[in-house]
Amino acid sequence: DVKVTQSSRYLVKRTGEKVFLECVQDMDHENMFWYRQDPGLGLRLIYFSYDVKMKEKGDIPEGYSVSREKKERFSLILESASTNQTSMYLCASRSSSETQYFGPGTRLLVL
Amino acid sequence: GENVEQHPSTLSVQEGDSAVIKCTYSDSASNYFPWYKQELGKRPQLIIDIRSNVGEKKDQRIAVTLNKTAKHFSLHITETQPEDSAVYFCAPGGTSYGKLTFGQGTILTVHP
Repeated sequence: DVKVTQSSRYLVKRTGEKVFLECVQDMDHENMFWYRQDPGLGLRLIYFSYDVKMKEKGDIPEGYSVSREKKERFSLILESASTNQTSMYLCASRSSSETQYFGPGTRLLVL
Repeated sequence: GENVEQHPSTLSVQEGDSAVIKCTYSDSASNYFPWYKQELGKRPQLIIDIRSNVGEKKDQRIAVTLNKTAKHFSLHITETQPEDSAVYFCAPGGTSYGKLTFGQGTILTVHP
């Protein structure tokens, strides 16, 4: 069974704080993804990575950065959190069959 | 980039009825067409997918049909049950490192 875990289920941060969201997968997948999910907007891709230290911008990268130092771990960084970054953040890793396996999500509230 | 639209945004059916959700996309290079289901408070999970060399695929009560010429694909659920109530997302892709573009979602409610 593929297992994708995220470091926190709920987070409350203040405007301007630096926020780290971490995702770990145990299936040796090459590709990993960060999405944010907002009602009525579906899942929007923030960044993805296709190998260690390799990253590509998704559709909404502004205000975010990522880090992939090890294959199993993909981190999303909010350099200076803002209230419009309050959202559900979902990490996923992709198998060779194209299936994306999602983590449980982190609900972030920025005050 | 890919533009994806799903219709309807909400769908309410009686148990036992059929449900159909349609997804249109813009990128003619897309060659992989999955549907994900997200139950309340849970993570999205793949329920069925199809590739561009196939027109239809069935798995028990669910099926996906693809019209590549018209650039749309549809999810069909027959004999709906209350446990089918969820948000369904289409997510065409397959062109770049497995990147998918998700639709805005369809909330399906099955009334007992």
